Parts: sequence; structure tokens; C-alpha cells
Amino acid sequence: QSALTQPASVSGSPGQSITISCTGTSSDVGGYNYVSWYQHHPGKAPKLMIYEVSNRPSGVSNRFSGSKSGNTASLTISGLQAEDEADYYCSSYTSSRVFGGGTKLTVL
Amino acid sequence: QVQLQESGPGLVKPSQTLSLTCTVSGGSISSGSYYWSWIRQPAGKGLEWIGRIYTSGSTNYNPSLKSRVTISVDTSKNQFSLKLSSVTAADTAVYYCARTDIYIGGALDYWGQGTLVTVSS
Repeated sequence: QSALTQPASVSGSPGQSITISCTGTSSDVGGYNYVSWYQHHPGKAPKLMIYEVSNRPSGVSNRFSGSKSGNTASLTISGLQAEDEADYYCSSYTSSRVFGGGTKLTVL
Repeated sequence: QVQLQESGPGLVKPSQTLSLTCTVSGGSISSGSYYWSWIRQPAGKGLEWIGRIYTSGSTNYNPSLKSRVTISVDTSKNQFSLKLSSVTAADTAVYYCARTDIYIGGALDYWGQGTLVTVSS
């Protein structure tokens, strides 16, 4: 199984919106509505931000939203804040589970 | 609040077996709603899913690691464990344990803090 494809880095200014893409195949992202997104601050435990493409767990800000079109899923963060600066990973169910390579978000 | 904590040796010699345990608190590992997973992150790289176990003992493994991985569960201790055999320097990574919730598409909703395992002689 190959890792899902994410951009290595994205950046934005406070208050702006950014979108991180996650491209897979019809065997993973495109085949199931089981895409999830994780926020990872180095040295800390990763945090679930989105599950089943577009659902937010309790306690996650509504500034975070997810979507999917074909074999590509996306995470959008609106109203960027300094604390959003972190690494973000997508993940999809396949016959097992696969992660993306991760995207470093820098808040300028 | 569910909490997971990894434990085990931080240094393993090449060709030996890496062994880690994840202790679950704040909830029963025997709950039928969850799988229990291992994930790792080599330095400077992304997350890699290793495998998962259900409370019944049923397992799924990453095909690239399957020949070397064993995940087991001890419900009496509320723990699950990872064994990775024939390790090399490429297995040096931070290893995480996590809970997989069946009812949210298998998303990993609780994670441990991670433990660094270095493979070196």
C-alpha cells in the first residue's frame, strides 16, 4: 500500500483560510467515506480533527472542515490562528489503513 | 477520559525483537466498539500504520511489516502489545498506540504520547 499524497507544506496568515489536499486512489480515499485528519504538534500525541470525511469530534473547532471529491480529500482551516501551526496527516481505510506523508502548516 | 501509555525499552540491538506495551486507562479494552492500534513515525518522516487488534484477538497488519509483526492483547491487564522482529536501523521511530473507534469509520480517536525506540548496537 502506498502512502496518500499530501503537499509537504502550506502557509497562511492569521485570519486567512487554507486547504490541505490528500490524494489517494479508488482503493482507499475514493472507495470509502472513511477519511480522517489528524493534527500533530511535535512531541505531543496526534489529535483527531475530522472523521468519516467531514465529521468533527466533540470539542474540535468548527473552523476545521473536511470534504472529498473522487480520490482527493481536503481539510480546510478557516480563520487561521497561531495555535493551528502543526503537522497535519490524512488517513484512509483500505483493506487496512494508510496515512498521508503529512503537511506542515505554518502560520505567518 | 481514556488514556493510553506506551512502555518498553528505548534501545534495541539490530536483529533483535522490539517489544512494546500499551496500557489503557479510563475504559475497558474489552469493549466491542474498538480496535487497538500501533503506529510509528521515523524521525523527519510521516506516520506509518503498523497494525491493529480486536478484543477477540483478531488482527490486521500493514502488508509491508506483516512478516515481522505480532500484536497481542491481555484483557486482564487492560493492555495490548507489539512485537517487531529482526529490527534494523530503519525501525528506529517514535511508536504510538491508539484506539480505533469502529463507529466513526475506524478513526483513531485517542493516542498515547509516543515512545522513542532506537535500533543501534
